[in-house]
Amino acid sequence: NAGVTQTPKFQVLKTGQSMTLQCAQDMNHNSMYWYRQDPGMGLRLIYYSASEGTTDKGEVPNGYNVSRLNKREFSLRLESAAPSQTSVYFCASSEVLIDSADQPQHFGDGTRLSIL
Amino acid sequence: QKEVEQDPGPLSVPEGAIVSLNCTYSNSAFQYFMWYRQYSRKGPELLMYTYSSGNKEDGRFTAQVDKSSKYISLFIRDSQPSDSATYLCAMRVPYNNNDMRFGAGTRLTVKP
Repeated sequence: NAGVTQTPKFQVLKTGQSMTLQCAQDMNHNSMYWYRQDPGMGLRLIYYSASEGTTDKGEVPNGYNVSRLNKREFSLRLESAAPSQTSVYFCASSEVLIDSADQPQHFGDGTRLSIL
Repeated sequence: QKEVEQDPGPLSVPEGAIVSLNCTYSNSAFQYFMWYRQYSRKGPELLMYTYSSGNKEDGRFTAQVDKSSKYISLFIRDSQPSDSATYLCAMRVPYNNNDMRFGAGTRLTVKP
């Protein structure tokens, strides 16, 4: 019962390098999300996808792009990494866009990204 | 000023104690209020979900929302070492996923 799987778990990049974070869910959920978590800041929504074929900006989209490859997969790309993008990145999925008590968001275990 | 304020702690209590975790917020449009639990090196998991003002109880956990004061609380009764985690409050404007905001989290340790 994998749930939400994120790869890689850890990555170190140099400034200016590009990278794609992968996320896959096996719960047949329609909606998927990318968050970043920084000390003292809480989780902040980067992008979300309400359903296959659609993506929308969240609170902090600058410097990122996303692709909803199919219903299962939602990737996050850093085109030119900057030290300010050092963070823990979480992918989540839910049955519907507006999560509720019986249809909550399910989170992966995160990708820890350091940019030097 | 952040939209959601949460004391980061850390908070350390003995096993069996009652724990009180709190968040304040500034956006009066928030109507959905959530508490997530996050164990070390793991993703958050939804613990409690409430809509508008009032109390909601689930086992040892009680979530309380006071919209007039823009203040929400999570109470944990008979705390256990397995409750040791970071607790995040979150809140959302209805029908707008873009307007979900999380607190920074309070780290709780329950000592045996």
